[in-house]
Amino acid sequence: RKEVEQDPGPFNVPEGATVAFNCTYSNSASQSFFWYRQDCRKEPKLLMSVYSSGNEDGRFTAQLNRASQYISLLIRDSKLSDSATYLCVVKDYGQNFVFGPGTRLSVLP
Amino acid sequence: SAVISQKPSRDICQRGTSLTIQCQVDSQVTMMFWYRQQPGQSLTLIATANQGSEATYESGFVIDKFPISRPNLTFSTLTVSNMSPEDSSIYLCSVDGLASQGAQYFGPGTRLLVL
Repeated sequence: RKEVEQDPGPFNVPEGATVAFNCTYSNSASQSFFWYRQDCRKEPKLLMSVYSSGNEDGRFTAQLNRASQYISLLIRDSKLSDSATYLCVVKDYGQNFVFGPGTRLSVLP
Repeated sequence: SAVISQKPSRDICQRGTSLTIQCQVDSQVTMMFWYRQQPGQSLTLIATANQGSEATYESGFVIDKFPISRPNLTFSTLTVSNMSPEDSSIYLCSVDGLASQGAQYFGPGTRLLVL
């Protein structure tokens, strides 16, 4: 089993749609959790950290369920500019980053 | 977040040669990281570069193939040695963020093609 798994995608959604991405991790000792976005031929950029109580940043909401070892990202009112690959990242107790395979999102006009 | 630059941004190399990639940060950082992203794949950590000590390599990566230098707190190099076409990848350096719960920030990457 891979350490971090994500929805295989791709997701093709119309503008204005709500889309949710799921991520599971295998190491119960994982400490910190993040969502990154990566545009084509660019480096990953931090979208948001994921806190235990859940957190929201504008149209983006992240949730963490430690008992189920599950992380989610919800994007509301999708924009064309949201088209990217979304990477679920888990930081283990050794401070190493482990990246999920990513889920590609295409928002269509 | 730190501003990170990498040189070169891209290169095309012949098999059997070596390429050294530079990573420069605009502030002092304790830890710098080197990743590889093969075509269509996610990121894989190669090694952690610590100033004043040997780099720590992940399983599957060895110092002879990927020697790393970390001469000071703002600079690191990764060398890809004796290259083969399988080394064609994007190589990215990153640093720990000072805030944001320990998130990492990435340089723009070096796109390497080995013929």
